[in-house]
Amino acid sequence: GIQVEQSPPDLILQEGANSTLRCNFSDSVNNLQWFHQNPWGQLINLFYIPSGTKQNGRLSATTVATERYSLLYISSSQTTDSGVYFCAVVETSGSRLTFGEGTQLTVNP
Amino acid sequence: KAGVTQTPRYLIKTRGQQVTLSCSPISGHRSVSWYQQTPGQGLQFLFEYFSETQRNKGNFPGRFSGRQFSNSRSEMNVSTLELGDSALYLCASRGTRLYGYTFGSGTRLTVV
Repeated sequence: GIQVEQSPPDLILQEGANSTLRCNFSDSVNNLQWFHQNPWGQLINLFYIPSGTKQNGRLSATTVATERYSLLYISSSQTTDSGVYFCAVVETSGSRLTFGEGTQLTVNP
Repeated sequence: KAGVTQTPRYLIKTRGQQVTLSCSPISGHRSVSWYQQTPGQGLQFLFEYFSETQRNKGNFPGRFSGRQFSNSRSEMNVSTLELGDSALYLCASRGTRLYGYTFGSGTRLTVV
C-alpha cells in the first residue's frame, strides 16, 4: 500500500515564528488532506489539497502531485496552534485514507 | 449544517464484553469510514460503508464489524474485547470523491 512520511516528527517554536511541515507519499493520490488533532482527539480538517496551493489565514498548503509531496506552512504561530498535524492521502485506486505518523508541534509563549 | 456526530464520547468496558459505537454522518453524505487510533499503531483504517454496503475493509480481526443503515448512520461493533482494543475510534464522512473527509469527535474506548 501507499506510504506516507511526515517530517519533522517534533517541532518546538516560540510564538510568532514560522514553520514548514512536510509530507511525502509513495504513489499517485486523488485526495490529500492536512488535519490538526485537537487536545480532545478530534481531527480538524485544515486543507483538502490533492494538488496546487491554498491559503486560509495564517496557514497555507502546497501539493506537488508529480513529485509526491505536500507542504503545510504556519506563519506567526500562536500557542493555540500546538498539537499534532497529520497528512493523509487516498491513493488513486482506492478510497481509504492513509495517515502519516504526524508532526507534534509545540508553540511556547 | 451539523457535523459528524459520534456517540458515546467515552466508554469503559471489561475484557470479554462487546461494544457498539455509533456515527451519524453529515446530512447528504453516503460514505462513512471508521478509523482506530492508538499510540503504538497510529491511525489505522477499519472499514468504509457506502449506501449500506461495505466498500473497503482494513486489516483487523473479524471481532470488528460494522454496518450502515438506510439513513447513512453507521455502527461499529467490537466483540470479545481485548485490552489492546483500547483506543480512540474516529468516524469520517464524505459527500463525493471531489471533497475531503470530515471527522467526528471520536469515541474513546477503555478496556479494563
